[in-house]
Amino acid sequence: SQTIHQWPATLVQPVGSPLSLECTVEGTSNPNLYWYRQAAGRGLQLLFYSVGIGQISSEVPQNLSASRPQDRQFILSSKKLLLSDSGFYLCAWRASGGGTEAFFGQGTRLTVV
Amino acid sequence: GENVGLHLPTLSVQEGDNSIINCAYSNSASDYFIWYKQESGKGPQFIIDIRSNMDKRQGQRVTVLLNKTVKHLSLQIAATQPGDSAVYFCAEANTDKLIFGTGTRLQVFP
Repeated sequence: SQTIHQWPATLVQPVGSPLSLECTVEGTSNPNLYWYRQAAGRGLQLLFYSVGIGQISSEVPQNLSASRPQDRQFILSSKKLLLSDSGFYLCAWRASGGGTEAFFGQGTRLTVV
Repeated sequence: GENVGLHLPTLSVQEGDNSIINCAYSNSASDYFIWYKQESGKGPQFIIDIRSNMDKRQGQRVTVLLNKTVKHLSLQIAATQPGDSAVYFCAEANTDKLIFGTGTRLQVFP
């Protein structure tokens, strides 16, 4: 069966510090991978998605970047965090080709102080 | 589209009543639609899906209706229970992208 791992679960970082959130998927090959951000009490904003190794599509201009160094690994990064980067970050995978639901990790709650 | 900056609207229902949660989607090219349930501090959980060649699909206690003419999606929950209290999101998808709607908070009262 497929599983998705996302870590850490919570993170408190100072303004100006770097960020690296990692997400890995097991039990499937060539998945589509997604990073979403959710502010408190609000909806899910698509940040990045990837349909293959090294292929990253960015949905909104921002202080963040994403990379996919391996088929089932998706990394969200920042060189210098801003207060506005605080939020709940969710990684998801979905079978390539469309027509199927996405499966989510448990999320990382990031607080920038 | 993504109205992610808006506060979630709330639907309050009494236990045992039916709930109807509505969603407007933006892309007429979307061909697959999903409803998710999200409990506090957790990732969204799949409820039910529907493809664009259908206008209704039923699951256990849930029904999704799709109206492509007006780009509208609804989730009906029969005999709503306290455990149904959560935030509900619709999502529209094509081959690669998966975009979420605003979301609705469902509160169930005894």
